[in-house]
Amino acid sequence: QITLKESGPTLVKPTQTLTLTCIFSGFSLSTSGVGVGWIRQPPGKALEWLALIYWDDDERYSPSLKSRLTITKDTSKNQVVLTMTNMDPMDTATYYCAHGFYGYLQSWGQGTLVTVSS
Amino acid sequence: DIVVTQSPDSLAVSLGERATINCKSSQSVLYSSINKNYVAWYQQKPGQPPKLLIYWASTRESGVPDRFCGSGSGTDFTLTISSLQAADVAVYYCQQYYSAPYLFGQGTKLEIK
Repeated sequence: QITLKESGPTLVKPTQTLTLTCIFSGFSLSTSGVGVGWIRQPPGKALEWLALIYWDDDERYSPSLKSRLTITKDTSKNQVVLTMTNMDPMDTATYYCAHGFYGYLQSWGQGTLVTVSS
Repeated sequence: DIVVTQSPDSLAVSLGERATINCKSSQSVLYSSINKNYVAWYQQKPGQPPKLLIYWASTRESGVPDRFCGSGSGTDFTLTISSLQAADVAVYYCQQYYSAPYLFGQGTKLEIK
C-alpha cells in the first residue's frame, strides 16, 4: 500500500521560505519511471502543478515559479522536500505531494494547508 | 507550455444518464513512437485529494468503475461517465504529462440535475 504524508508549517509570514516534506512508503523512488510531485490548490480554486522529481534525479518545475522552487529527494529516507522562497499571501493553498509514473499522479497525500499571513 | 482547457466548466446530469467532459490541449500530446497519449483524468470530491481515474488517455486505474471511460488522441480528449451515480458528484480535472510543466485543466464541476 502506497502512502504519502505532507508535513510543514501551517502558517508562514510573507517573504519567508516554506519548506515542506513528503514522507512516503510503499514504493521506491529509485525505481525506473517513478516520480514524486508537488501540487497546490488555493481555497476554492483549481489544481496547480508545481514540481516533480524523477527516480533518476531529473527535476521539472513550473516555469512561473521556477526561480522560487527547489525539489530534492532522499531515497534512503523515503522523503521528498519542496522549498519555496519569498512566500506571499497569494501562495496560501493546500499543498499536496503525489507519487506517479512518467508524470501522471497515481497516489496522493491528504494535503497540508499553508496560510501566508503576517 | 502545453495548456489544457476543459469544457464545460460545470455540468448537471440526471442520475443514470451519460456525462461527457472534454479536454483540449494546445498541442499534441501523442508520443507517436509508442502510440501513447500523455493525458490523465482525476476526480476530486470536497475535502479530499484528487483520485486518479484514467492515464495514457484511456487506461482505467485499478479499482475505478468501468462506467468511467477515457478516449481521444492528439489534442482532443473526453472523459465519459456512462451512467451517472450520486457518488460521481465531484470536480474532474484533466492533465497533460507530455511536457513539463504538467498542467491541469481548470476543472469541471459535475452535479446531479
